[in-house]
Amino acid sequence: SQTIHQWPATLVQPVGSPLSLECTVEGTSNPNLYWYRQAAGRGLQLLFYSIGIDQISSEVPQNLSASRPQDRQFILSSKKLLLSDSGFYLCAWSRTVNTEAFFGQGTRLTVV
Amino acid sequence: ELKVEQNPLFLSMQEGKNYTIYCNYSTTSDRLYWYRQDPGKSLESLFVLLSNGAVKQEGRLMASLDTKARLSTLHITAAVHDLSATYFCAVDIDYQLIWGAGTKLIIKP
Repeated sequence: SQTIHQWPATLVQPVGSPLSLECTVEGTSNPNLYWYRQAAGRGLQLLFYSIGIDQISSEVPQNLSASRPQDRQFILSSKKLLLSDSGFYLCAWSRTVNTEAFFGQGTRLTVV
Repeated sequence: ELKVEQNPLFLSMQEGKNYTIYCNYSTTSDRLYWYRQDPGKSLESLFVLLSNGAVKQEGRLMASLDTKARLSTLHITAAVHDLSATYFCAVDIDYQLIWGAGTKLIIKP
């Protein structure tokens, strides 16, 4: 069976510090991978998606970047965090583009 | 503009009652998904609806899709406290997955 791991679960970072969130998927090959952000009490905002290694599409201009160095690894990064980067970050995977997505447990990021 | 609208956004109801959450979308699609999110947790897939007239049921929840009306419903029968959560619909429109804002459902004993 397929599983998705995302870490860390919670993170408190000062403004201006770097960020690296990691997500890995097991039990499948060539998944489509996604990073979402959810502000408190709000819906999901798609940040990045990837259909393959080193193939990243950005949905919104922002202070974040994503990389996919391996087939089942997706990394969300920032060089300098802003207060507005606080939120709940979710990694997800699907078998094909925009089919049923399966989510990781999420990372709650607080920038202080 | 590609839009997915859920209503209501907030719903407080008593146990044992029935209610329906609506998900309207702005353009043609025949692929719609329902997810559940518990407070502070990630999203769990509930239903995948892939054609007009599709109906799926799991326990007290039933989802349906009317692609002509561009409408999906999530019906709750005889609600129980454990169903308290936020429910999201997501629609595949032109290879983009567009999310509703979510419906926060509180079921009081």
